[in-house]
Amino acid sequence: EVQLVQSGAEVKKSGESLQISCKTSGYSFTSYWIGWVRQMPGKGLEWMGIIYPGDSKTRYSPSFQGQVTISADKSIRTAYLQWTSLKASDTAMYYCARDDSLGIGDDIWFDSWGQGTLVTVSS
Amino acid sequence: SELTQPPSVSVSPGQPARITCSGDLLSKQYGYWYKQKPGQAPVLVMYKDTERPSGIPERFSGSSSGTTVTLTISGVQAEDEADYYCQSVDSSDTYREVVFGGGTKLTVL
Repeated sequence: EVQLVQSGAEVKKSGESLQISCKTSGYSFTSYWIGWVRQMPGKGLEWMGIIYPGDSKTRYSPSFQGQVTISADKSIRTAYLQWTSLKASDTAMYYCARDDSLGIGDDIWFDSWGQGTLVTVSS
Repeated sequence: SELTQPPSVSVSPGQPARITCSGDLLSKQYGYWYKQKPGQAPVLVMYKDTERPSGIPERFSGSSSGTTVTLTISGVQAEDEADYYCQSVDSSDTYREVVFGGGTKLTVL
């Protein structure tokens, strides 16, 4: 069974750094891209970026390029989303999700999702 | 590139619900659909316009025409009440970017 288990809720202050994680199991970690999706309170889904754990190649949404860093550790089958200086506007639920396309063609779609990590940033 | 969904759709139990998603990139890329209930992670309910993942009820179906993809739920049930998001991919030789629609709240009357 494919599983993505995210780290727990975080409460931080503006300017602090943060790394949240997404630990996977049940499939070949290095064969599938993993994406990150933001959902601000009461709002819709926003794609942040995606990583291929096989070689750590990443793609970012222009909206998030330079604002966050996506990484992965093959040895522990875990993907990460990192901020160096949080802002109050980063308050949101963050989801990791597996891209089922296997990188074939232009398609990307997310067949398995983590439970989400709520990040709250106070100013 | 944008994907446009109606903010809300209301339907009585047992009636069909149709949720549309429109955008130029859908003329050359597939559409995908996710269902999200309050406090839960999204769930994939349709991929490549018309393909239903295992475990998704047969009353869910998808179609595509031109720049619009449609998710149809035949015989809506109370458990279908949720937010539904369409998704596609904007791509060129140098980039691929996931695009989500704004979401549609399906209310079962």
